[in-house]
Amino acid sequence: DVVMTQSPLSLPVTLGQPASISCRSSQSLVDSDGNTYLHWFQQRPGQSPRRLIYKVSNRDSGVPDRFSGSGSGTDFTLKISRVEAEDVGVYYCMQGTHWPPITFGQGTRLEIK
Amino acid sequence: EVQLLESGGGLVQPGGSLRLSCAASGFTFRSYDMNWVRQAPGKGLDWVSLISDNGGSTYYADSVKGRFTISRDNSKNTLYLQMNSLRAEDTAVYYCAKGGWIDFWGQGTMVTVSS
Repeated sequence: DVVMTQSPLSLPVTLGQPASISCRSSQSLVDSDGNTYLHWFQQRPGQSPRRLIYKVSNRDSGVPDRFSGSGSGTDFTLKISRVEAEDVGVYYCMQGTHWPPITFGQGTRLEIK
Repeated sequence: EVQLLESGGGLVQPGGSLRLSCAASGFTFRSYDMNWVRQAPGKGLDWVSLISDNGGSTYYADSVKGRFTISRDNSKNTLYLQMNSLRAEDTAVYYCAKGGWIDFWGQGTMVTVSS
């Protein structure tokens, strides 16, 4: 199974400052079709998860442009350019290249300092 | 508007069974693979199972293989998860999630396995 490792697991950030979350996979996530099925999700307190980014760097509809995704192979990053109060929650990366099983990172808890 | 509405959760004793349902609307259900993903209290996301769009292929996490069965009724736009031989470690919120890339999640239904 592909292991997804996120860091940090806890991320205190000052409002208006940038934030960055790393996600590393135990093997390359490049599929035989050339796509990389690495996605990012946000789970606000008390809510269901919501997808923010699909296939590494594509923002979902309605997602603010302060969120961006990048990376390749085994190393991926979610960046928030300027953190707002509504960004508090837990962020997960997920791989859908080598499945089953689909696997998630452990989650990174973002809080406001 | 896409909606996924899970139901069927509750309290069950170890060794017992439950059947979860997920009613889908706002998209062409029969065109999408569907998943169940669970989240134990205070823990992260844990993929459970996937069924292909026509129901012809099913996949399971090792932790539930042989105990859980995923199915769907495309005429009713409904996804199911039959859970047998339940264990304490199956206690979680169970989410129905749309698509192989998981682009939408339901609100979840809580399953508690306890004596």
